[in-house]
Amino acid sequence: KAGVTQTPRYLIKTRGQQVTLSCSPISGHRSVSWYQQTPGQGLQFLFEYFSETQRNKGNFPGRFSGRQFSNSRSEMNVSTLELGDSALYLCASSLRTSITGELFFGEGSRLTVL
Amino acid sequence: AQKVTQAQTEISVVEKEDVTLDCVYETRDTTYYLFWYKQPPSGELVFLIRRNSFDEQNEISGRYSWNFQKSTSSFNFTITASQVVDSAVYFCALSVPNAGNMLTFGGGTRLMVKP
Repeated sequence: KAGVTQTPRYLIKTRGQQVTLSCSPISGHRSVSWYQQTPGQGLQFLFEYFSETQRNKGNFPGRFSGRQFSNSRSEMNVSTLELGDSALYLCASSLRTSITGELFFGEGSRLTVL
Repeated sequence: AQKVTQAQTEISVVEKEDVTLDCVYETRDTTYYLFWYKQPPSGELVFLIRRNSFDEQNEISGRYSWNFQKSTSSFNFTITASQVVDSAVYFCALSVPNAGNMLTFGGGTRLMVKP
């Protein structure tokens, strides 16, 4: 059974650019959550999508957005990149949107903003 | 708001030693869920355990054991007879109902097991 796949794994951008990250969940999983991991702030919840609808959103500015497609694949976009956006972005999939289920994480997309 | 504190940022032990990772949480919800995840160098978070607030039974899984104490708001994790493969960053996390799959993570504890 294939795990959660995130692309690209590594990328470098410059300030002011935008970036799109992709996440393919485990087959059959309908919930996709995104987390940002930085040395200073640790792991922080960005948002969750379930059946193409955003269900929860963390405390991030509007530059961070996402969407989910009918096949449950999800993308997140960060516009007008800032140096502080450099982070490991982790995607997690789950069967349901309730926390009683286990989250399966991908290996992340490491974004460096210069 | 929820908060999870892992006071130990880094622990170093020698193989076969026992090690306990501490986790203290804060929440006003009476129903909540506690988790431990392991993050190896490859980056993905690996689920280890989930407990709900109504189940204070300690749990043992092989060399791993967890001690949940509501009276002290703690959910500590012990590795018995540590091995080099246990080297990783370990995260404690908390979630509450109606928050979907939103986890509040602690800052993590980096465990280094030396041969």
